[in-house]
Amino acid sequence: GAGVSQTPSNKVTEKGKYVELRCDPISGHTALYWYRQSLGQGPEFLIYFQGTGAADDSGLPNDRFFAVRPEGSVSTLKIQRTERGDSAVYLCASSHPMTDTQYFGPGTRLTVL
Amino acid sequence: SQQGEEDPQALSIQEGENATMNCSYKTSINNLQWYRQNSGRGLVHLILIRSNEREKHSGRLRVTLDTSKKSSSLLITASRAADTASYFCATDLSGNTGKLIFGQGTTLQVKP
Repeated sequence: GAGVSQTPSNKVTEKGKYVELRCDPISGHTALYWYRQSLGQGPEFLIYFQGTGAADDSGLPNDRFFAVRPEGSVSTLKIQRTERGDSAVYLCASSHPMTDTQYFGPGTRLTVL
Repeated sequence: SQQGEEDPQALSIQEGENATMNCSYKTSINNLQWYRQNSGRGLVHLILIRSNEREKHSGRLRVTLDTSKKSSSLLITASRAADTASYFCATDLSGNTGKLIFGQGTTLQVKP
């Protein structure tokens, strides 16, 4: 079946601009996670959704970052007033309620100039 | 800070040899998962081992977990050039929501 998909695959923006990153989880997966990975590092947790609600947003670095999942499926990560330090690969993962395995999408590479 | 620490940071071996990567963590876990990543993009799930398990196998992969030492190891037997990638361990903490805490990874190069 289809895996987790993320769009766009690459996003180049200018400092101060607003960006939206989209994640389509695997059908039937109720849990959805966002991670951020900087070059040479492991992924860092940002936010976790169970259904439509954010169950844990403790990883969001500041109030410029926000994520939604209005219908419990697709999620959008929104970054306001982007900064060069936001440049990273943003990874999305989803998991089925009966397992703990997280399946990752290919990521969105965000570059802030 | 990162929960998991992988060792070594980089490993280079010849095709056919075995590769062993280690992961240490700091707090109690529900499970520990190993992932592979090629070219810095999507992670591929390899194996999950629960806190009450000591060893799991999947094909050429063998994972062990020692909760008393808070450590895990990933063994890849009879390595192939296609195994060249970065390998990460990730912990799902006890009582947690399921978010994973990743280490910094081990970069494995398998020379043909």
